[in-house]
Amino acid sequence: QVQIQDSGPRLVKPSETLSHTCTVSGASIRDYYWNWIRQSPGKGLEWIGFINNRGSTNYNPSLKSRVAISIDTSNNHLSLTLTSVTAADTAVYYCVGGRYPYFFDFWGQGTLVTVSS
Amino acid sequence: EIVMTQSPATLSVSPGESATLSCRASQSLITNLAWYQQKLGQAPRLLIYGASTRATGIPARFSGSGSGTEYTLTISSLQSDDFAIYYCQQYNAWPFTFGPGTKVDIK
Repeated sequence: QVQIQDSGPRLVKPSETLSHTCTVSGASIRDYYWNWIRQSPGKGLEWIGFINNRGSTNYNPSLKSRVAISIDTSNNHLSLTLTSVTAADTAVYYCVGGRYPYFFDFWGQGTLVTVSS
Repeated sequence: EIVMTQSPATLSVSPGESATLSCRASQSLITNLAWYQQKLGQAPRLLIYGASTRATGIPARFSGSGSGTEYTLTISSLQSDDFAIYYCQQYNAWPFTFGPGTKVDIK
């Protein structure tokens, strides 16, 4: 059974960089496709971006200039960085995987990240 | 970007009754649509993909239908565990987008 453990700071200051990692257990990260999704009261569920096991990515155009997703297949890790954050980036961030690139079979527990000084 | 809308925003249903939820896309998805269930304090759970294929372990009382721009999720004989928020998601084009959700609560 695939399990996903999110980790990262829960409080980030405005204009700084949000860095988040998830660790996958119970399966090889190479066997699935991976996405980051966030959820805020104001904007609902928002797809951030996608990465496959070769490191190819696709990002939401609304975030593309600020976001980077990477994969570490040796350690079963995924990473998300979002630069120049504002209060609008306050949300629960989910690391999400699937058998296909396009919809999401399994989700991490999510981490609430608050952007505030 | 494909815009997803859902109706109604809230649906009040008695246990044992059926619920019909609607999802509409701003352009044709063919059948590239998924449905998710989210309970309070939990991550969403995949219910349906390909508009009508149940995900692994999803009970048969959940069924999806539709194509093009109009989709429906039907929950027959609602159980207490089914009261939650339901989201549709299109994956016909990047960026993937979600609807605002339908809350199914107890009447």
